[in-house]
Amino acid sequence: DTAVSQTPKYLVTQMGNDKSIKCEQNLGHDTMYWYKQDSKKFLKIMFSYNNKELIINETVPNRFSPKSPDKAHLNLHINSLELGDSAVYFCASSQGTLQETQYFGPGTRLLVL
Amino acid sequence: QQPVQSPQAVILREGEDAVINCSSSKALYSVHWYRQKHGEAPIFLMILLKGGEQKGHDKISASFNEKKQQSSLYLTASQLSYSGTYFCGTEGTGANNLFFGTGTRLTVIP
Repeated sequence: DTAVSQTPKYLVTQMGNDKSIKCEQNLGHDTMYWYKQDSKKFLKIMFSYNNKELIINETVPNRFSPKSPDKAHLNLHINSLELGDSAVYFCASSQGTLQETQYFGPGTRLLVL
Repeated sequence: QQPVQSPQAVILREGEDAVINCSSSKALYSVHWYRQKHGEAPIFLMILLKGGEQKGHDKISASFNEKKQQSSLYLTASQLSYSGTYFCGTEGTGANNLFFGTGTRLTVIP
C-alpha cells in the first residue's frame, strides 16, 4: 500500500500554463508538506498544513497556492508557470509537527518549456 | 539559515567508516537526517532533539551538539546500500521551519 502518493509523476508543460499536482496520504497523519528540489538537489520546504490549516508558508511566489480539502490531501496549484519552476516537487506527511518523522511521496518531475 | 554540510562528497570502500557533519549559524531545536538515492524520494534516518542527543540504529548513528549548533552522522562498516546523498535538515529554536543542507554525496564501492 502506498503511504504518500502524488500525481502526476511527470509533468511537461509550456511557460504561462497553469497546472496542479495532487498529493494523498493514507497514514492518518495530521501534517502535510510540499517541498521543491531544484536541479542542484537543493531541497526547500514550501508549505505545511496541519489539519487543513496553513502553518508554514515560506517565501514562495504567490503563483503557488496550496489547497487542503481534508487532512489526507494537499494539492499544489501553480499559475503562470515559469522556466525556473522546473524541479522535482515532493509531498510529505508527518503525524504531528516538524519534530516527527516525515514520509515523502515519490515526487513529481515538472519541466517547463 | 541553510546549514552547511561537509564533506560535499566522499567515496568509501565497503566496510569503511564515514562521518558527515552539519553546522548551523543559528541555535537549533532539532536536526533531521535523510538519505536520498538517485531518482528517488528522501528517506528518513533519524531526528535528534535539543538536549544533546545521540541516536542510532544498526550501523548508522548521529550526535547533536546543541552548544556548537552542529550534528554529525556516523556510518560504520559501510555497505553498498549506503550509497546516496545525505541531507541534514535543521529546525531553529522558536522557528517553525526546516532548512536543508546542500547534501553529502556518499558512494560506497566494492
